[in-house]
Amino acid sequence: KAGVTQTPRYLIKTRGQQVTLSCSPISGHRSVSWYQQTPGQGLQFLFEYFSETQRNKGNFPGRFSGRQFSNSRSEMNVSTLELGDSALYLCASSGASYGYTFGSGTRLTVV
Amino acid sequence: DQQVKQNSPSLSVQEGRISILNCDYTNSMFDYFLWYKKYPAEGPTFLISISSIKDKNEDGRFTVFLNKSAKHLSLHIVPSQPGDSAVYFCAAKDDSNYQLIWGAGTKLIIKP
Repeated sequence: KAGVTQTPRYLIKTRGQQVTLSCSPISGHRSVSWYQQTPGQGLQFLFEYFSETQRNKGNFPGRFSGRQFSNSRSEMNVSTLELGDSALYLCASSGASYGYTFGSGTRLTVV
Repeated sequence: DQQVKQNSPSLSVQEGRISILNCDYTNSMFDYFLWYKKYPAEGPTFLISISSIKDKNEDGRFTVFLNKSAKHLSLHIVPSQPGDSAVYFCAAKDDSNYQLIWGAGTKLIIKP
């Protein structure tokens, strides 16, 4: 079965702009989590959605937001981009078990 | 406050030898632990997991040990192979919420 698909793979934006990233989970998975990875910081949890509802949220400013659609696809939006937002953004989907399957990520560069 | 700590940012091991990656946690409510492996420009992939009711889980060359009293788990890779060179993340989950808590990762380098 198809894995977790994240689009786009690479993105370059200017400070102050906004960006929307997309994640399509594994078919049948209802949970989608978003993470930010920066060098030396590991995986920082952004938020998790389950059945279109935000179930958990990490410690990121309100500029970071997300949503989940009825088909479980999720989008993450970052407004008023800052240089420090440059990172690899990873999406993971989860089914009934504890296992998370990650996508390949979106590499965002803010210039 | 980091609830899951991987205190070694990097580890270098000779090919064929044992690699031991360590992870400490502070929250006694964690009941499930996972190890993920990550190559550059790719998402992490699941490697092995262990429930808090066990103290050992083995899968081929990979074994995870859990010491609940010490709040410590370790991943053993025997024998280490060049393809094992990657960043390894330890993650923990507690039953009270749906969030995985991640360590900062350990970069494993296998030397020929």
